[in-house]
Amino acid sequence: AQTVTQSQPEMSVQEAETVTLSCTYDTSENNYYLFWYKQPPSRQMILVIRQEAYKQQNATENRFSVNFQKAAKSFSLKISDSQLGDTAMYFCAFMRGDQFYFGTGTSLTVIP
Amino acid sequence: DSGVTQTPKHLITATGQRVTLRCSPRSGDLSVYWYQQSLDQGLQFLIQYYNGEERAKGNILERFSAQQFPDLHSELNLSSLELGDSALYFCASSSRSRGEEKLFFGSGTQLSVL
Repeated sequence: AQTVTQSQPEMSVQEAETVTLSCTYDTSENNYYLFWYKQPPSRQMILVIRQEAYKQQNATENRFSVNFQKAAKSFSLKISDSQLGDTAMYFCAFMRGDQFYFGTGTSLTVIP
Repeated sequence: DSGVTQTPKHLITATGQRVTLRCSPRSGDLSVYWYQQSLDQGLQFLIQYYNGEERAKGNILERFSAQQFPDLHSELNLSSLELGDSALYFCASSSRSRGEEKLFFGSGTQLSVL
C-alpha cells in the first residue's frame, strides 16, 4: 500500500523568506506522480506543482520548486520569496495508476 | 476554474435527513472521486467511479452511497445524517491523458447538519 507522510503539522515563515515543506512516501512502484496541493482559507484545492517520477529534473513553477529524491522517497516543496497569499494548508499527494494518496497536510503561515 | 462543478455550494439540514450532492467532472474525464474534509482535518477518500463503475472504495460509511451516471456526472447520497457528518465534501476528476495525470477539484459542498 502507498502511504504519504508529512511530518510537519505546522510551519511559519517570514514574508520574503524561503521555506521548505517535507513529504515522504512509501511505494514499491517505479512509475508514479507526485503533487503538492494548496488549500487557502477559501478551502479551494489548488494544484501547486506536479512531478513525474521518471523525470530526474525537479519541477518548478515560478516561486515553487521541489526537491525530488526518488531513492530516498522524498518530495519536498520549496517556496521562495514567501508572500502573504501563500498562507494555506499544503497537501502532498502520490498517484499511481488512477489512485491518489494524500498526506495529512502542513499548515503554513506567512508572517508579515 | 478547474472545470469540475459541484452543487450545491452550501447545504444545511437536520439530523436524520438525507441529502444528495452532485458533481459534474471536467469534460472528457471518466474518473470521479469523492472526498470528505472535516474542519481542520485532512482529506478522507470516500469512493471513486470510472466510466460508471465503482473503481475504489475508501472510508465510506454504509449510510453513504454514490453513483456515476452515463453522462459521467456523479451523485453522493448521504442518509440518516448525524452531526459528525458536517464537513466539506469535494468531488474531483482526473484524466489518463498524457500530461493530464492529476486531480482537478471542484469547489466543494459545505454540509452543515444541525
